[in-house]
Amino acid sequence: AQSVTQPDIHITVSEGASLELRCNYSYGATPYLFWYVQSPGQGLQLLLKYFSGDTLVQGIKGFEAEFKRSQSSFNLRKPSVHWSDAAEYFCAVGAGIQGAQKLVFGQGTRLTINP
Amino acid sequence: DGGITQSPKYLFRKEGQNVTLSCEQNLNHDAMYWYRQDPGQGLRLIYYSQIVNDFQKGDIAEGYSVSREKKESFPLTVTSAQKNPTAFYLCASSMRGGTGVRPQHFGDGTRLSIL
Repeated sequence: AQSVTQPDIHITVSEGASLELRCNYSYGATPYLFWYVQSPGQGLQLLLKYFSGDTLVQGIKGFEAEFKRSQSSFNLRKPSVHWSDAAEYFCAVGAGIQGAQKLVFGQGTRLTINP
Repeated sequence: DGGITQSPKYLFRKEGQNVTLSCEQNLNHDAMYWYRQDPGQGLRLIYYSQIVNDFQKGDIAEGYSVSREKKESFPLTVTSAQKNPTAFYLCASSMRGGTGVRPQHFGDGTRLSIL
């Protein structure tokens, strides 16, 4: 069965600093990988996705992620964070089985931005 | 604009009472999902439906029930058998397709509390 691990429960960075959020997955086949962001009391918004092809994917809000098959990782990065990036971030791996579309989510990483 | 509407935003339940959470989408998506979110545990799948009049149990279906009588609607009932119903509930939808995994789009959630 697929699983996702986000090793960092909480990260604090200063505004303008670079950011990297870690995600490791376990899945036997080629994974479908996603990063979502959640503001307090809100639903999840898709930041980016990886299905195949170029291993560096660009998303919204200046985020990017790199798929590394050898490390089973899909880390999220941003060169310079803004105070509005404070939120919770979820990595997810998907499996399509006979049309079913199931996502397994990591436990999330809460990002705090220092002014 | 297309999207997913969850109502109510806040819901209170008395002991022994069933409550129903509403989820409506106008994205013309075939598949719909219900997740439960608890602090530090990420999202866990309760039920999902790929087409009208069909649904499957997710990882934590005990104490919950759903129906899918219309493509646009996927209500979730939290029954009195669910002993720890206090949580944030998220509804999502996606296109249904072939062998791939499509991104899921989320509503803004319903927070359920026990009186």
